[in-house]
Amino acid sequence: GQNIDQPTEMTATEGAIVQINCTYQTSGFNGLFWYQQHAGEAPTFLSYNVLDGLEEKGRFSSFLSRSKGYSYLLLKELQMKDSASYLCAVRDLDSSYKLIFGSGTRLLVRP
Amino acid sequence: KAGVTQTPRYLIKTRGQQVTLSCSPISGHRSVSWYQQTPGQGLQFLFEYFSETQRNKGNFPGRFSGRQFSNSRSEMNVSTLELGDSALYLCASSLSDSTYEQYFGPGTRLTVT
Repeated sequence: GQNIDQPTEMTATEGAIVQINCTYQTSGFNGLFWYQQHAGEAPTFLSYNVLDGLEEKGRFSSFLSRSKGYSYLLLKELQMKDSASYLCAVRDLDSSYKLIFGSGTRLLVRP
Repeated sequence: KAGVTQTPRYLIKTRGQQVTLSCSPISGHRSVSWYQQTPGQGLQFLFEYFSETQRNKGNFPGRFSGRQFSNSRSEMNVSTLELGDSALYLCASSLSDSTYEQYFGPGTRLTVT
């Protein structure tokens, strides 16, 4: 079966660092995505990992460990505008590249 | 380059009616995927179309159907609406079936009363 778990909510302080974890179980892993979604808006692409390791893109980094079925999104120098939901999604090879989304983590950045 | 557009943005229907939602992908994109988003279930995959063919389908009843036209525009139809169909319906486009980045439209907010 397919299962993706993320914390429901997280709170962090402006200027700090926050790590959002995602664990997954799929039969045919073919890549993991992170999307950001502000309230009332469409999700926007943040990162993509298919090999183990860390991908850095400005203030955002994403890490993947395929053997552990684990990923995290690291947000540095948090800004108020980073308050949003962060969606972890796994591409499932056995389902012809269908994207399976987690329920999302709602991040609140406080001043 | 224009983004993904969806029409209408908001819709109110009553139980038993049917509804058609439209999605225009980014110019040059050939793959269109549809998702249903609800507070309780999160983002759930409905189906994907590529070159007018349904390439993938999620676990939704047959009341949910879709199609894609030769210009890559896609429509989604829901027949015999139920209260539980109230949701945000998002469409996403990508260049091809092997492209990993999807661009989402603003969504259609459907309310069934």
